[in-house]
Amino acid sequence: GAGVSQSPRYKVAKRGQDVALRCDPISGHVSLFWYQQALGQGPEFLTYFQNEAQLDKSGLPSDRFFAERPEGSVSTLKIQRTQQEDSAVYLCASSLVRLNTEAFFGQGTRLTVV
Amino acid sequence: DQQVKQNSPSLSVQEGRISILNCDYTNSMFDYFLWYKKYPAEGPTFLISISSIKDKNEDGRFTVFLNKSAKHLSLHIVPSQPGDSAVYFCAAGGAGAGSYQLTFGKGTKLSVIP
Repeated sequence: GAGVSQSPRYKVAKRGQDVALRCDPISGHVSLFWYQQALGQGPEFLTYFQNEAQLDKSGLPSDRFFAERPEGSVSTLKIQRTQQEDSAVYLCASSLVRLNTEAFFGQGTRLTVV
Repeated sequence: DQQVKQNSPSLSVQEGRISILNCDYTNSMFDYFLWYKKYPAEGPTFLISISSIKDKNEDGRFTVFLNKSAKHLSLHIVPSQPGDSAVYFCAAGGAGAGSYQLTFGKGTKLSVIP
């Protein structure tokens, strides 16, 4: 597809369950970002990849959160032992070059932890 | 501590009139600012950006103004159209090592009344 694709669109997890969220960036885009958006808030930065290198993971809220982009294309955000406070929309964005200008966002994955 | 603030959660404007959305920031290291538009159940869409070396950037009906001394920027939409009804996020990026991380405001919901 032409845009950033995220799957699943919706995920309901029981507390304590592990989840994996997938992001397919636009082909050829070097930069890939993950953001977390809680209800009524703006997106908050989680982590950044330049190709396969994870250059910044300072926004990951705990060591239960892990992201990878092994071949510099598809990325997966994994959350272990999910907690209720993890409920949010997880947004992936990609951009052609390093800078943030005109980063293209996917539709997001809405995670609900019950 | 919120570094990017959008103090108006919502704004209603008549079709054809001007919409003005405001954003304040506290971190003087920010050197790049963006506005994103978000429809329900979709990811944010890039709208317009401005570098800190400029005080105005215009793209069609959209103009962003930057006042660095006041740490304030605004988005003007003229004329407003019903299709502009969405949530608008202000975002800022800094220079240096963290330049790929965007900091978002909480958003302003714009309603354009036909």
